[in-house]
Amino acid sequence: AQSVTQLGSHVSVSEGALVLLRCNYSSSVPPYLFWYVQYPNQGLQLLLKYTSAATLVKGINGFEAEFKKSETSFHLTKPSAHMSDAAEYFCAVSVSGGYNKLIFGAGTRLAVHP
Amino acid sequence: DADVTQTPRNRITKTGKRIMLECSQTKGHDRMYWYRQDPGLGLRLIYYSFDVKDINKGEISDGYSVSRQAQAKFSLSLESAIPNQTALYFCATSESDFPEGAFFGQGTRLTVV
Repeated sequence: AQSVTQLGSHVSVSEGALVLLRCNYSSSVPPYLFWYVQYPNQGLQLLLKYTSAATLVKGINGFEAEFKKSETSFHLTKPSAHMSDAAEYFCAVSVSGGYNKLIFGAGTRLAVHP
Repeated sequence: DADVTQTPRNRITKTGKRIMLECSQTKGHDRMYWYRQDPGLGLRLIYYSFDVKDINKGEISDGYSVSRQAQAKFSLSLESAIPNQTALYFCATSESDFPEGAFFGQGTRLTVV
C-alpha cells in the first residue's frame, strides 16, 4: 500500500532563506505526487503535482519539487522564503488507475521569521 | 462561488448528539471524499464515493456514516458524537486518477463537548 512520510513536523527559516520540506513516499507502482498548502483557517490549495511527465515540477508562488524515483522522494523547495509562505504543507500520493485514493502525510508547519 | 462548499463552517455539539456535515460541489466530478484533520496526523480518509451508488469506507470510518444524495452532494453524519471526534473535517472532489489533484472545501471545525 502507498504511504507518505514528511520529515519534520515544524520547519523554521529566515525570510530570504532556502525552504526545503521533505517528503518520501512508498508505492509499488509509479505514483502521482502532490504538494498542498493550508493557510490558517483555510482549506487545502494545490501547490504542484507530479504525474509522470517532467521530474522537476514547478508550482505556484515560486515553489518547485523534484521527483526522484531512486530515493522515493518528492521534496519541496523555494529559493527565497517570504513571510507569506508561513503555512502548513502536506505531501500526498495517489496511485494511478483503479480504486485509487489520495493519501496524505502528517504535514509540515513552516514558520518564516524576519 | 466556491467549487466545493461545506456547511456549517463551525459547529459545537454535545456528546451523544447526531450531527450532519454537508458538502456540495460545482466541479461536476464523480468522486467525493470526506477527510478528518488532526494536529500531527495530517488528513485521514473517512469515506469516499466514486459515484452515487458507490460508497466506500476509508481508514477511519468507525462512528461515521455518509450519504451521497446526488452527484454534487455528499454528507457526513456522526450518529452519536463523542469528544474525540473533535476535529477539522474536509470534503474534497476529484476526477478519476487525480489528473488535477483533489479540490477541497474550506473545512468544518467541529467541537464535541
